[in-house]
Amino acid sequence: DQQVKQNSPSLSVQEGRISILNCDYTNSMFDYFLWYKKYPAEGPTFLISISSIKDKNEDGRFTVFLNKSAKHLSLHIVPSQPGDSAVYFCAASNTNAGKSTFGDGTTLTVKP
Amino acid sequence: DADVTQTPRNRITKTGKRIMLECSQTKGHDRMYWYRQDPGLGLRLIYYSFDVKDINKGEISDGYSVSRQAQAKFSLSLESAIPNQTALYFCATSDPARAKNIQYFGAGTRLSVL
Repeated sequence: DQQVKQNSPSLSVQEGRISILNCDYTNSMFDYFLWYKKYPAEGPTFLISISSIKDKNEDGRFTVFLNKSAKHLSLHIVPSQPGDSAVYFCAASNTNAGKSTFGDGTTLTVKP
Repeated sequence: DADVTQTPRNRITKTGKRIMLECSQTKGHDRMYWYRQDPGLGLRLIYYSFDVKDINKGEISDGYSVSRQAQAKFSLSLESAIPNQTALYFCATSDPARAKNIQYFGAGTRLSVL
């Protein structure tokens, strides 16, 4: 049973528009959620995170929203830039367990 | 220099061979992890270690073993490689006291088992 799901394998948007990447989880014990970005031939790098006690966290062009009742989070990128083209992984963790569970990733393509 | 270094970056081996993938870090983190990624899939946890004397199995540990030789070094071994272990392998570190739940990844090792 996959505990973290990213149902869209790919997303294509025009430069300057908003990109919305979605993630669903099933385990109510998760208390911290993260987004990572991965370029080809590189390891994932941390992008933004949110604690389960919050519903929104913003960092520049990136905003993560958490809907605990729906067990759903989303990453908004606005405005999108061609350099944002990458694979984005959603991850969920239980702080006490000290490990994260990753989704399958969404490949974002931002067209100039 | 990279904070989390994986060697080798690429490896081709034959079925039945024993191989070792190495990970070293200069971040001073106690926690280290090994993941594998298959095409179109996310990162799946193989083993993790919270300090030198602590080793824990992840969700897909069968066929793998690890060694935590020092705080900075965490090695992954395939005792007898098989073709379905062909994948991209990532090492990661974390320090929850400094950066909650955030993991820092190496560049990966691409392994092919023929």
